[in-house]
Amino acid sequence: DTEVTQTPKHLVMGMTNKKSLKCEQHMGHRAMYWYKQKAKKPPELMFVYSYEKLSINESVPSRFSPECPNSSLLNLHLHALQPEDSALYLCASSHPGTGYTEAFFGQGTRLTVV
Amino acid sequence: AQTVTQSQPEMSVQEAETVTLSCTYDTSESDYYLFWYKQPPSRQMILVIRQEAYKQQNATENRFSVNFQKAAKSFSLKISDSQLGDAAMYFCAYANTGNQFYFGTGTSLTVIP
Repeated sequence: DTEVTQTPKHLVMGMTNKKSLKCEQHMGHRAMYWYKQKAKKPPELMFVYSYEKLSINESVPSRFSPECPNSSLLNLHLHALQPEDSALYLCASSHPGTGYTEAFFGQGTRLTVV
Repeated sequence: AQTVTQSQPEMSVQEAETVTLSCTYDTSESDYYLFWYKQPPSRQMILVIRQEAYKQQNATENRFSVNFQKAAKSFSLKISDSQLGDAAMYFCAYANTGNQFYFGTGTSLTVIP
């Protein structure tokens, strides 16, 4: 199994809503990532979890709250988002540290904030 | 912070021909990894090829090969015998041992039948 599964694939939410994005992998990877990607732009790193601990937060606004409940799951909780937060949100996973650090990506969640 | 530069926003190639996509990067680290990812309209990022910085030999994967020039900090991708399915956005990426991936701005490749 070399898949990273993201749900939902599409999400429309109002600015006062609370929603969550989910990411799951069963490759034994202990590093998991959230990226934000705008149209025709590269992915921008948001968060990195290494061994279920938050290791990198790229100064992301607090309306985005990550959570890593176990080594296979990664969530992104959304609250009070702005229209400019509309984007493709990509989850990825890899082996942490030195060695084989290829990142496997999910298909993303297309988020629209109205 | 590391930077990755792709100077070709768009490229096109005739089917069955060869095309080279350019990438340069800037880093002060000695141990790192370089990748080319492909993102078709289906939007999933797919690994095309990887290169470990400590390896001098250029990586190859079937029709895809790289020209890795460590001193020049250059990492270009050559696609031989281009196929229609190669049309996509291509991102060059750098990863350090701290699990931080940095992506270039991308090159949109069109394959002309």
